[in-house]
Amino acid sequence: SQELEQSPQSLIVQEGKNLTINCTSSKTLYGLYWYKQKYGEGLIFLMMLQKGGEEKSHEKITAKLDEKKQQSSLHITASQPSHAGIYLCGAAPNTGNQFYFGTGTSLTVIP
Amino acid sequence: DAMVIQNPRYQVTQFGKPVTLSCSQTLNHNVMYWYQQKSSQAPKLLFHYYDKDFNNEADTPDNFQSRRPNTSFCFLDIRSPGLGDAAMYLCATSEGLAGSYEQYFGPGTRLTVT
Repeated sequence: SQELEQSPQSLIVQEGKNLTINCTSSKTLYGLYWYKQKYGEGLIFLMMLQKGGEEKSHEKITAKLDEKKQQSSLHITASQPSHAGIYLCGAAPNTGNQFYFGTGTSLTVIP
Repeated sequence: DAMVIQNPRYQVTQFGKPVTLSCSQTLNHNVMYWYQQKSSQAPKLLFHYYDKDFNNEADTPDNFQSRRPNTSFCFLDIRSPGLGDAAMYLCATSEGLAGSYEQYFGPGTRLTVT
């Protein structure tokens, strides 16, 4: 089965600081997704990466997929309390129907 | 506007008493998924429908069943809930298969088993 390891497991940062969350796969990925989840709620789609070396940005969040398509990073610039939540990477190993989530990173932003 | 709706948001059932969770979508998406998320864990895919085609994950217990009577609705049936089935159940939809399309998630149904 697909394994997606995220690091760190949890992160506490001061408001305004930059941070990076990593997602590493044991296999080459077909598509890599980043989602955010507030406690007790559903997941909100952030970004999708499919091409090796691809980078996407939305507001203060940037996600990258490495050339080998086995590692992705999510970078938040000048963090705000609204960025707090659980960040999950997710991936499909091929064009089929399987989909796996990473182990999750809990982010706390201290005002 | 709500796009993926789950009812109820909170469900309490007794050990062994069948329970059904509901999901509906206004997106007209082809694919509907059910995930189980236990406390402090990532969501785990149970099964999905691509149109009327049902796809079960290999390690999904037989206790879990699903129905999709039409494009808009999908149900999760737990035939004999055990204490270990207490979790958040998330429904998601996508236009196509998860490898190529983003999934839209509902708010989830939190199931408690007493």
